Amino acid sequence: AQSVAQPEDQVNVAEGNPLTVKCTYSVSGNPYLFWYVQYPNRGLQFLLKYITGDNLVKGSYGFEAEFNKSQTSFHLKKPSALVSDSALYFCAVRDYNNAGNMLTFGGGTRLMVKP
Amino acid sequence: KAGVTQTPRYLIKTRGQQVTLSCSPISGHRSVSWYQQTPGQGLQFLFEYFSETQRNKGNFPGRFSGRQFSNSRSEMNVSTLELGDSALYLCASSLVQGRNEQYFGPGTRLTVT
Repeated sequence: AQSVAQPEDQVNVAEGNPLTVKCTYSVSGNPYLFWYVQYPNRGLQFLLKYITGDNLVKGSYGFEAEFNKSQTSFHLKKPSALVSDSALYFCAVRDYNNAGNMLTFGGGTRLMVKP
Repeated sequence: KAGVTQTPRYLIKTRGQQVTLSCSPISGHRSVSWYQQTPGQGLQFLFEYFSETQRNKGNFPGRFSGRQFSNSRSEMNVSTLELGDSALYLCASSLVQGRNEQYFGPGTRLTVT
């Protein structure tokens, strides 16, 4: 079985400050990890993924994420937040041994960036 | 390249009715997955199709079904609608399985009254 936890329902940050959205996962094998963002009344938009290799992954819109195998975490980060980053963020995992594309999502974290 | 398209975008149905939702994947994508999003349960996997075959199925009752056509377009059907089926239904497509990310459509907002 695979699962994802996003411990914070909401993260508040001031514009220009660094942001972190936390994610921890559980899989029986090796993980494929993803971050998606959702704006109101929209579908999910892919931000970045970790498959293998470097633990620091860079994605769209200046976002990056750090894979930590020992802590089973994949936290999303951005050095300088923008008001337009305010949205709902989802972390997702797929087990490498899973034959399909089924993703298990965390509950989501609402990011609020204040001017 | 055009993104994933879903029709209709909004739908209102009455309890007991059935509904069919449609999804057209990104050109060249052969895998289509469906997810249900609700405020209470979050994002939950419904099923995945690849080359017209269902590859995975989530923990939903048999009232939920789907299919995929030879052009990779997919439909999902919900019969005997219940109030709890009100949700945003998201379709996602990707290249073959493995390390490829999924790209999501805008969703179909289903309201059951």
